Amino acid sequence: DARVTQTPRHKVTEMGQEVTMRCQPILGHNTVFWYRQTMMQGLELLAYFRNRAPLDDSGMPKDRFSAEMPDATLATLKIQPSEPRDSAVYFCASGLTGGNEQFFGPGTRLTVL
Amino acid sequence: QKEVEQNSGPLSVPEGAIASLNCTYSDRGSQSFFWYRQYSGKSPELIMSIYSNGDKEDGRFTAQLNKASQYVSLLIRDSQPSDSATYLCAVNPVLNTNAGKSTFGDGTTLTVKP
Repeated sequence: DARVTQTPRHKVTEMGQEVTMRCQPILGHNTVFWYRQTMMQGLELLAYFRNRAPLDDSGMPKDRFSAEMPDATLATLKIQPSEPRDSAVYFCASGLTGGNEQFFGPGTRLTVL
Repeated sequence: QKEVEQNSGPLSVPEGAIASLNCTYSDRGSQSFFWYRQYSGKSPELIMSIYSNGDKEDGRFTAQLNKASQYVSLLIRDSQPSDSATYLCAVNPVLNTNAGKSTFGDGTTLTVKP
């Protein structure tokens, strides 16, 4: 059945390393969201795209984070350099223009030591 | 003040009881309101959406919206242990999620005891 996929599911890295997270939205969905969830901050929107164009990335630390959609089937979120405070679960979600629901992927659990 | 506020809980109810989850929001121009359920270690899933004042029922779930009071709630009737989860309230400034981003509350953790 159709679902959002994310890789990797878990990532442990050391401070200063580059981290790349990937998301494959549901086929045909044209809106993609990146969220970060922590116990302290809850669920925060980092960036979102419609038809591969970035609409809003105001929630993302610009100096170290970047988000792209190289094509309609792939969204990426990069952190360079990573810091311990980036440790969180990162969710990707996709949806359809005109639809109500955001379908979430299983998340990437990132730990930065 | 947070844009979307929820009682952090935890909220504990006995099986078969009504669970009431509350959410307030600060942006008076908000138009779309959503409830997501998130099981521990899992991703959020949408269970209810509401856009106009009043009640909206779907099975055992009822969403209530009062825009004048900037208040939205979720009632779960005949609560089951499988309803034990964190419930996230989400608010969108425009009609339908396609045109804007949702702001999420921190969630209320519900435990339904057998």
